[in-house]
Amino acid sequence: GEDVEQSLFLSVREGDSSVINCTYTDSSSTYLYWYKQEPGAGLQLLTYIFSNMDMKQDQRLTVLLNKKDKHLSLRIADTQTGDSAIYFCAESMARGNTGKLIFGQGTTLQVKP
Amino acid sequence: DGGITQSPKYLFRKEGQNVTLSCEQNLNHDAMYWYRQDPGQGLRLIYYSQIVNDFQKGDIAEGYSVSREKKESFPLTVTSAQKNPTAFYLCASSFRQGTEAFFGQGTRLTVV
Repeated sequence: GEDVEQSLFLSVREGDSSVINCTYTDSSSTYLYWYKQEPGAGLQLLTYIFSNMDMKQDQRLTVLLNKKDKHLSLRIADTQTGDSAIYFCAESMARGNTGKLIFGQGTTLQVKP
Repeated sequence: DGGITQSPKYLFRKEGQNVTLSCEQNLNHDAMYWYRQDPGQGLRLIYYSQIVNDFQKGDIAEGYSVSREKKESFPLTVTSAQKNPTAFYLCASSFRQGTEAFFGQGTRLTVV
């Protein structure tokens, strides 16, 4: 089946690293995405990784993909108060060429000063 | 500036009324999507469209309808058949289905 799971809440102190985890079920996923949502707003694409990659780094963001375990993580280095938001992972469904995006429930990141 | 625009930002509806949410994009994207967001449940797909004059049901299409007469526009109608319509509705578009999606700012619908 199609399912993406995330923990619901993470709290860190400013300056620490944050690691947000996600598991997915479809081994045929082509792309995996991380989105950020601030209160009352739409989703902003942060980064994505192609399914044949293990790691992708983009400034303070590092994405790790363990395809064997179907586990995706987003690490935010030197977390700032402005990083407080809800973070969604999403997988692109390749099976049947539907290509639709399936989202997790979102992880609320709270950054304490 | 290229982007995706949803309107209105806030919408109030009386029970039993249909209401239409607007979504327009000038990104020249082929695919467009409507999601519903409820607290703690992530995003659930209502309808999606890969090309003009074609659309498919998502996971929670009952009580909703869409049209795709123009590439730029993908309006969503919430009908009176939708039992629990109060939610945050997000429209998105992508170059082709399955690639990175860009989101509008959302419409918060409240049934009063």
